Amino acid sequence: DAGVTQSPTHLIKTRGQQVTLRCSPKSGHDTVSWYQQALGQGPQFIFQYYEEEERQRGNFPDRFSGHQFPNYSSELNVNALLLGDSALYLCASSPLAEAKNIQYFGAGTRLSVL
Amino acid sequence: EDQVTQSPEALRLQEGESSSLNCSYTVSGLRGLFWYRQDPGKGPEFLFTLYSAGEEKEKERLKATLTKKESFLHITAPKPEDSATYLCALNYGGSQGNLIFGKGTKLSVKP
Repeated sequence: DAGVTQSPTHLIKTRGQQVTLRCSPKSGHDTVSWYQQALGQGPQFIFQYYEEEERQRGNFPDRFSGHQFPNYSSELNVNALLLGDSALYLCASSPLAEAKNIQYFGAGTRLSVL
Repeated sequence: EDQVTQSPEALRLQEGESSSLNCSYTVSGLRGLFWYRQDPGKGPEFLFTLYSAGEEKEKERLKATLTKKESFLHITAPKPEDSATYLCALNYGGSQGNLIFGKGTKLSVKP
């Protein structure tokens, strides 16, 4: 049973560019959440998708957007990249119907903005 | 003010030297407190979830406990392979399902 998979593993971009990160949830999970983790910090919540809609959003600007597909996979898009967007981007999935709400994380995408 | 505070920031132990990591929180309406382990450059790996004060969970050398305002992760006779960053996260009424993380405790266990 494959866990949460993310692609690519590493990415280098320059300021002002746009980037798309991808995530496939764990089998049986229908909810996908995205987090940003700066070096030495805990992950910070960006947004959560369920039934192809953004269900919740953290304190991130509109440059951060996402999408969820009918097969529950998801994309995170970041426009007009800033140096401060350099971080590890984590995707987590969970079965929304489960009250425990345990989120399982992928290995992340390391984004470097030069 | 941080909603979730972990201490210490870093902890160095000798192999076999037991210790505890602390996670304190200020929110009310806790729905769940989660412990994760994160190795360098990897995503967080789920360890435990606790839902009510007095609850305890164990796995190998790790034991997690929960009181009304804090949780402890006890490590008994640690081994070098336990070296990692341990993250505490919580889900409460105001977070509506997403996790609020602490900054983590970086544990190093020397042989």
